[in-house]
Amino acid sequence: AQSVTQLGSHVSVSEGALVLLRCNYSSSVPPYLFWYVQYPNQGLQLLLKYTTGATLVKGINGFEAEFKKSETSFHLTKPSAHMSDAAEYFCAVRPSSGNTGKLIFGQGTTLQVKP
Amino acid sequence: NAGVMQNPRHLVRRRGQEARLRCSPMKGHSHVYWYRQLPEEGLKFMVYLQKENIIDESGMPKERFSAEFPKEGPSILRIQQVVRGDSAAYFCASSGEILNTEAFFGQGTRLTVV
Repeated sequence: AQSVTQLGSHVSVSEGALVLLRCNYSSSVPPYLFWYVQYPNQGLQLLLKYTTGATLVKGINGFEAEFKKSETSFHLTKPSAHMSDAAEYFCAVRPSSGNTGKLIFGQGTTLQVKP
Repeated sequence: NAGVMQNPRHLVRRRGQEARLRCSPMKGHSHVYWYRQLPEEGLKFMVYLQKENIIDESGMPKERFSAEFPKEGPSILRIQQVVRGDSAAYFCASSGEILNTEAFFGQGTRLTVV
């Protein structure tokens, strides 16, 4: 069965510092990979996704993530944090085969940005 | 082009009552997914529906929960005889025919059972 592990339920960075949110997955076949952001009392917004092709994926708001098959990882980074980045971030996987769009989510990481 | 619409945004029910949560997918989308988010936890898959069909209900509790997506109208998640443990945020997502496209999420319904 597929699973997703996000290391660190809370991450705190200073404004302008590097953001690194970790995500590892467990799957016998490389799945499709997603990062979503959730602001308080809101739904989820897609930041970026990896399906096939280039392993470094750029998303919205300056975020990017790199798919590393050998490490079964899909860590999210941003060179310089902004106060508006404070939110909850979810990594998710979806089977790359089979007739389903069902997502399996990690537990989430709350990002705090200090002035 | 309206996004995924969920209503109500907030719902309060007394123990034993029924809760009905509605989800209207994005225009042109025929795949609907329901997820539940308990406090301090990630989203857990509940059910996947296409028009008039339940495709995958592996995440649905065996009792009291049901879902439908009729030919006309929104998808409905129904919880009978609610208990305090049902208090959570329930999110609906929809996607188009091509499965490797993204799923768009609604803003959720926050159910509180008192």
